[in-house]
Amino acid sequence: QQQVKQSPQSLIVQKGGISIINCAYENTAFDYFPWYQQFPGKGPALLIAIRPDVSEKKEGRFTISFNKSAKQFSLHIMDSQPGDSATYFCAARNTDKLIFGTGTRLQVFP
Amino acid sequence: GAGVSQTPSNKVTEKGKYVELRCDPISGHTALYWYRQSLGQGPEFLIYFQGTGAADDSGLPNDRFFAVRPEGSVSTLKIQRTERGDSAVYLCASSLRQGVYNEQFFGPGTRLTVL
Repeated sequence: QQQVKQSPQSLIVQKGGISIINCAYENTAFDYFPWYQQFPGKGPALLIAIRPDVSEKKEGRFTISFNKSAKQFSLHIMDSQPGDSATYFCAARNTDKLIFGTGTRLQVFP
Repeated sequence: GAGVSQTPSNKVTEKGKYVELRCDPISGHTALYWYRQSLGQGPEFLIYFQGTGAADDSGLPNDRFFAVRPEGSVSTLKIQRTERGDSAVYLCASSLRQGVYNEQFFGPGTRLTVL
């Protein structure tokens, strides 16, 4: 019940395209859903986050869509750029600890 | 430098040895978290502190792992009798305080290799 399932494992997108990463969870006690971006050799950095009482949040080229009834949420990266190439993790918070998905390695080619 | 710092950045040790990993949180952050990230996986929660006390240590895999934060700032993760399976990147994060929307800021991690 503490798991967060993430897909796909890897994603290749052309520059300018849309990158979509999906996550699903079971535990209804999760109360905060952040997305983290991680570059090789670096720690994860918060990209965007959403609360379960909101269905969509947009910050620049990054949008989270949240479906509470389906227990699913997704990250959309519009106009993907080579600099977006990194590993993306969804996460869910339960009593102050974050439960992370397994990650999606995104490669954006020029 | 205002970020979370971790030392050493890399640690190579032999099976059975004792290691200590250090985390310096962002100044003023009262909550501190340790996670472990194995190759190709997401970070896995180990323990978190609110101030000096461990508020939740449910993620520590066994009693070989121990963490302290004696003055409510710097924290040390201690691993006794290391095993090859302990090899991973150990990440530290801090946040202003515990609570729902307080962002956790991560350090670069310590890569531990147990030979």
